[in-house]
Amino acid sequence: GAGVSQSPSNKVTEKGKDVELRCDPISGHTALYWYRQSLGQGLEFLIYFQGNSAPDKSGLPSDRFSAERTGGSVSTLTIQRTQQEDSAVYLCASSFSGDPGETQYFGPGTRLLVL
Amino acid sequence: GENVEQHPSTLSVQEGDSAVIKCTYSDSASNYFPWYKQELGKRPQLIIDIRSNVGEKKDQRIAVTLNKTAKHFSLHITETQPEDSAVYFCAASDASSASKIIFGSGTRLSIRP
Repeated sequence: GAGVSQSPSNKVTEKGKDVELRCDPISGHTALYWYRQSLGQGLEFLIYFQGNSAPDKSGLPSDRFSAERTGGSVSTLTIQRTQQEDSAVYLCASSFSGDPGETQYFGPGTRLLVL
Repeated sequence: GENVEQHPSTLSVQEGDSAVIKCTYSDSASNYFPWYKQELGKRPQLIIDIRSNVGEKKDQRIAVTLNKTAKHFSLHITETQPEDSAVYFCAASDASSASKIIFGSGTRLSIRP
C-alpha cells in the first residue's frame, strides 16, 4: 500500500514568511509524528498526535511552530515568521496505533530553505 | 526526559569487516530501542529493534545488544557490504510518553571497497 507522503518535497522561502508543510500518513495509522533533521544532525522530535488525544507538543522549539491534524488523518506543520535557522528537512512518520514499541514509518521529508 | 548519545559520528570500515555503533541512554525506564538506517537522500527505515526484556537480537548480518544495567546498546554489522553505507540512528523510547522515541545524532558509516 501507499506509504507516508509529504508535500512539498522542497520549499524555498524568504525570512519572515509563513510556511505550511503537509503530511499524509499511511491509511489506518492513528499515530503521527513530526521530526526535524538539520544538516548532518539527528532527528529532533517536534510533535506527536495520537487519535483524538491532545497532541504532545513538547518538542516544538518556539511558538512560531504549530501543527494540526484534522479528521485524524492529514497533518499540517506551520512555521510562522520563518528564520534561517529553521532551514532543515522536516520528516513526518506514522504508526498504526501509537502503542509503545511500534514501528514508525517515515515519509520522504520536506526540505525547507529559508533565505 | 530521555537523552540518547551515539558514537562514533563517522565510521569507515573495509568491506567484509565488522562495524559497531554504540549508544547510551539516560532514562532507566526506557524499554524500546530501535535502529534506523537512512541512505543518502532517502527516508529513515527501521532495520532492527530490541525491547528491554531481551539482551540480544540478531537478523542475518545485523545484531543489537542491550545492557540495561549500564544503559547502553549497540548495533553490530558483520561482513559489511557497500550497500551498508548509510547513516544509522539509534533511538530509545521516552518513558514520559512511551510512544515517543528520542533519536541519537547518527553515525555515518562508509564501507571501503
